[in-house]
Amino acid sequence: GAVVSQHPSWVICKSGTSVKIECRSLDFQATTMFWYRQFPKQSLMLMATSNEGSKATYEQGVEKDKFLINHASLTLSTLTVTSAHPEDSSFYICSAVVSGTNYGYTFGSGTRLTVV
Amino acid sequence: AQSVAQPEDQVNVAEGNPLTVKCTYSVSGNPYLFWYVQYPNRGLQFLLKYITGDNLVKGSYGFEAEFNKSQTSFHLKKPSALVSDSALYFCAVRATLSGAGSYQLTFGKGTKLSVIP
Repeated sequence: GAVVSQHPSWVICKSGTSVKIECRSLDFQATTMFWYRQFPKQSLMLMATSNEGSKATYEQGVEKDKFLINHASLTLSTLTVTSAHPEDSSFYICSAVVSGTNYGYTFGSGTRLTVV
Repeated sequence: AQSVAQPEDQVNVAEGNPLTVKCTYSVSGNPYLFWYVQYPNRGLQFLLKYITGDNLVKGSYGFEAEFNKSQTSFHLKKPSALVSDSALYFCAVRATLSGAGSYQLTFGKGTKLSVIP
């Protein structure tokens, strides 16, 4: 089945540094990728939608300059958390629309970001 | 705007007993409905979906859900719960309408299922 590989699984970084999270579609072309943020014991909050070759569409309240999304190819989308602060610590999950699967979606395994 | 309500933060059930996790939705037009399961520090795993056709949908690991249009519900059920079913369950909806944002899933807040041995 369609698989999205998300890396890293977890990362610890110092305040002020940047962290890049990658999501790769392994056996299909991900035209559209969604990026979610999940706080402990809470639901998934959609941060942005990225389409290959175009600028990402950010949800209201999400800082575009802080959460940089790049979707330069059909198999790779990245989320870069710039100048990270402790309040950015969270669980980040990507998800791709899988064409030809009757409205299927596949999710990455998530990245636990801790900013110290 | 579309929305999903999962009224129970937590559901406790004894192993071997039937389980139900509730979900109601609000969407313009006909809904596409999904159930996902999440284990700690992991992504979401697909359980089942309703797109069209039979209201009773059977999915992975013995789970099933019934689409009820009049009650705008899509409750998740399993006849006999296993301890390994203990996890966080999310209901999600997508509108069938086309246009910007039409692919977006809207998730409920999640229900923690605990199956007691």
